[in-house]
Amino acid sequence: EAQVTQNPRYLITVTGKKLTVTCSQNMNHEYMSWYRQDPGLGLRQIYYSMNVEVTDKGDVPEGYKVSRKEKRNFPLILESPSPNQTSLYFCASSSGQLAYEQYFGPGTRLTVT
Amino acid sequence: GEDVEQSLFLSVREGDSSVINCTYTDSSSTYLYWYKQEPGAGLQLLTYIFSNMDMKQDQRLTVLLNKKDKHLSLRIADTQTGDSAIYFCAETPDSSYKLIFGSGTRLLVRP
Repeated sequence: EAQVTQNPRYLITVTGKKLTVTCSQNMNHEYMSWYRQDPGLGLRQIYYSMNVEVTDKGDVPEGYKVSRKEKRNFPLILESPSPNQTSLYFCASSSGQLAYEQYFGPGTRLTVT
Repeated sequence: GEDVEQSLFLSVREGDSSVINCTYTDSSSTYLYWYKQEPGAGLQLLTYIFSNMDMKQDQRLTVLLNKKDKHLSLRIADTQTGDSAIYFCAETPDSSYKLIFGSGTRLLVRP
């Protein structure tokens, strides 16, 4: 089954404790991205990757890092989480030129206290 | 800049039609989308429309695009309780991969 998986689905952590949210897709997609969803703001893009070793900033990259060492994986790293990074995070992937082919993961709800 | 706006809430009675509206600012948008998010779930692509079209119908869903006014709407016919969800309008500027989302409209269907 074609899917995008994220782990963990739920995480509560404390300020400053480094964490990684993993994202994996089994569709051999080149393009992957991370979004955060906040009430009243919709989804905003954090980082995206066009292919292995190719990453770039989205609209709200501050406080986040990503890496793309393998085509299937695109982890999101918070080196020193802060409460304003409490949010719902979605990973997405796409094979085609256009965004309508994007598949979204189930989301990771992160709370930073 | 790029901006997509939606009203936050819509309540309808089961069996009625629902119309969710969206406005966008980027005239270079090539595709416009409607996504559905059910409680605790990810985003599901409902439908999309290319910018050179003005209408697209898919079963109970009708998308209308007024490119002059930069206005997009989603009509759901015979709305059911299972349609209760948050609906996001989104666009892709300049044939890019990037999706610009609206804030989402929460649709509540009353029995």
